[in-house]
Amino acid sequence: AQTVTQSQPEMSVQEAETVTLSCTYDTSESDYYLFWYKQPPSRQMILVIRQEAYKQQNATENRFSVNFQKAAKSFSLKISDSQLGDAAMYFCAYRSKTSGSRLTFGEGTQLTVNP
Amino acid sequence: DTEVTQTPKHLVMGMTNKKSLKCEQHMGHRAMYWYKQKAKKPPELMFVYSYEKLSINESVPSRFSPECPNSSLLNLHLHALQPEDSALYLCASSQDRASGRWEQYFGPGTRLTVT
Repeated sequence: AQTVTQSQPEMSVQEAETVTLSCTYDTSESDYYLFWYKQPPSRQMILVIRQEAYKQQNATENRFSVNFQKAAKSFSLKISDSQLGDAAMYFCAYRSKTSGSRLTFGEGTQLTVNP
Repeated sequence: DTEVTQTPKHLVMGMTNKKSLKCEQHMGHRAMYWYKQKAKKPPELMFVYSYEKLSINESVPSRFSPECPNSSLLNLHLHALQPEDSALYLCASSQDRASGRWEQYFGPGTRLTVT
């Protein structure tokens, strides 16, 4: 079974600064998807970024980028130029390509953005 | 358009009541999901429907009864709930394998309180 670990329950960053959220995972599969979801106080889970394991290039979405290290099974999220609206719970998630549609979530990292 | 809608936003019900949660998507997704989420925890998968058929039931108590009337709609019927069932209930949908896109899109959730 796959597991996802987020070792930072809480992080804080100053507005306009850069912050990196960590995620590691364990799997015996070679092809899979990884995601970062954001859940602000409004509760809606919002997809931030996705990465396909067979793609070596790190995914980027505007101010959000990932550092995907497949051998190390690491998938960190970098938020540049942090904004107050980035404050949220961030969940890292894994999805197998071959064994069903289940998402395996990490425990989450609560990000605070200080003005 | 990546919108999943859920109604109601809030629901308070007694332990003897019968109520239903509704979820709708118009993205042509063929997989739909129900999750239960407790505060500051990741979502827990309850049910998955694929092509309108129940494909995963995570050993959910029978007081929760899912229904998928068509490919755009997903219901969760509630009966004789317990106070510990109070939580945020999230609906999600995702595309099928043919598109090659597997990410799940979430609705805003229903905050359920059982008294």
